[in-house]
Amino acid sequence: GENVEQHPSTLSVQEGDSAVIKCTYSDSASNYFPWYKQELGKGPQLIIDIRSNVGEKKDQRIAVTLNKTAKHFSLHITETQPEDSAVYFCAASRKNNNDMRFGAGTRLTVKP
Amino acid sequence: DVKVTQSSRYLVKRTGEKVFLECVQDMDHENMFWYRQDPGLGLRLIYFSYDVKMKEKGDIPEGYSVSREKKERFSLILESASTNQTSMYLCASSLPGQGHQPQHFGDGTRLSIL
Repeated sequence: GENVEQHPSTLSVQEGDSAVIKCTYSDSASNYFPWYKQELGKGPQLIIDIRSNVGEKKDQRIAVTLNKTAKHFSLHITETQPEDSAVYFCAASRKNNNDMRFGAGTRLTVKP
Repeated sequence: DVKVTQSSRYLVKRTGEKVFLECVQDMDHENMFWYRQDPGLGLRLIYFSYDVKMKEKGDIPEGYSVSREKKERFSLILESASTNQTSMYLCASSLPGQGHQPQHFGDGTRLSIL
């Protein structure tokens, strides 16, 4: 089955700097890669996703890149702000939400 | 906005008790899911349901069962709670259909089994 590895487990950046979180997946048939943000005391919330037919997707300060050959994808946050502090999860799926596999999570801290 | 509500934020139970975790969604979603979240392990799927009275096992169903009597409500049941079931439990819902639909999560129930 699918296995998703996420690095780093913790990341601390200064406000205004960029943050990058990386994930690798094992199942070459996976074709959907969402990213979730989980704030303290809240459930995960989808912030961006990418499908295997594109290599990059951007939404304001957030971008995701996908390298299908290497089976890895990354989340890029530019101009970080303290409110970006949260735990971020990547995930990979082949067919539907039922086979979604999540990474272990990255705790991002943005220092003012 | 989709609202997924989990009935308890914190719950403390004793070993051997039967425990019910309740989840309600207000967007008429067909699909509902139960995950557990543990440090260093991410989210792992326990059970999911794609319709009333329908259920399918996820990756870690042992020790759990579920009930979906109404479309909006999905219950997770720990038949005989054990200490290794101490965890954060997350419920989610999504629309049906081919491919992927965004999952909407509740805020979680932190369950402690003593």
